[in-house]
Amino acid sequence: DAGVIQSPRHEVTEMGQEVTLRCKPISGHNSLFWYRQTMMRGLELLIYFNNNVPIDDSGMPEDRFSAKMPNASFSTLKIQPSEPRDSAVYFCASRELDYGYTFGSGTRLTVV
Amino acid sequence: AQSVTQPDIHITVSEGASLELRCNYSYGATPYLFWYVQSPGQGLQLLLKYFSGDTLVQGIKGFEAEFKRSQSSFNLRKPSVHWSDAAEYFCAVGSSTGRRALTFGSGTRLQVQP
Repeated sequence: DAGVIQSPRHEVTEMGQEVTLRCKPISGHNSLFWYRQTMMRGLELLIYFNNNVPIDDSGMPEDRFSAKMPNASFSTLKIQPSEPRDSAVYFCASRELDYGYTFGSGTRLTVV
Repeated sequence: AQSVTQPDIHITVSEGASLELRCNYSYGATPYLFWYVQSPGQGLQLLLKYFSGDTLVQGIKGFEAEFKRSQSSFNLRKPSVHWSDAAEYFCAVGSSTGRRALTFGSGTRLQVQP
């Protein structure tokens, strides 16, 4: 089992550019979560999906952020346009049946 | 609303000494509780979890945690710390119904002195 796979590991982009983060959950996990980690705010839930359907997106900062899960094996988090305050580590996690979560290694985003 | 408090931002212990990291939660019903560890530049690794039953939970790497409902606590312990335990530790709470996402504490950074 390769675990939760996120790409890219690092992303540096200029302010105003579109950024797309990708996540492949563990096969068979039916829930997927996007978290953001910053020094100031810690780990924040952005959005989560059950069976590919968005359940709670109340943590998405603003309309510049969007997330999709077109199938059970792939999800994207898009920021358009990006701003320096979006710089953070973005984690994807998928859920096991016994309620354990497995996290990916994260994408470190830097917006300059 | 569910919340988690980790009162210690930073703890330093000597190698071989015992460790206890504190975690207090706020939740209206029986919570699902977790401890995760994060090494620099890495993702979060699950150390242990509590759903129900025995209130003393054993995890990986020699860690254990005890659920105390009366104190709303879920403290993490290890009898003898190794240098490789230096990392950041996060306590998290999840709901058994409704919102199925974890809420994390702010973390405790552990330093281990030789």
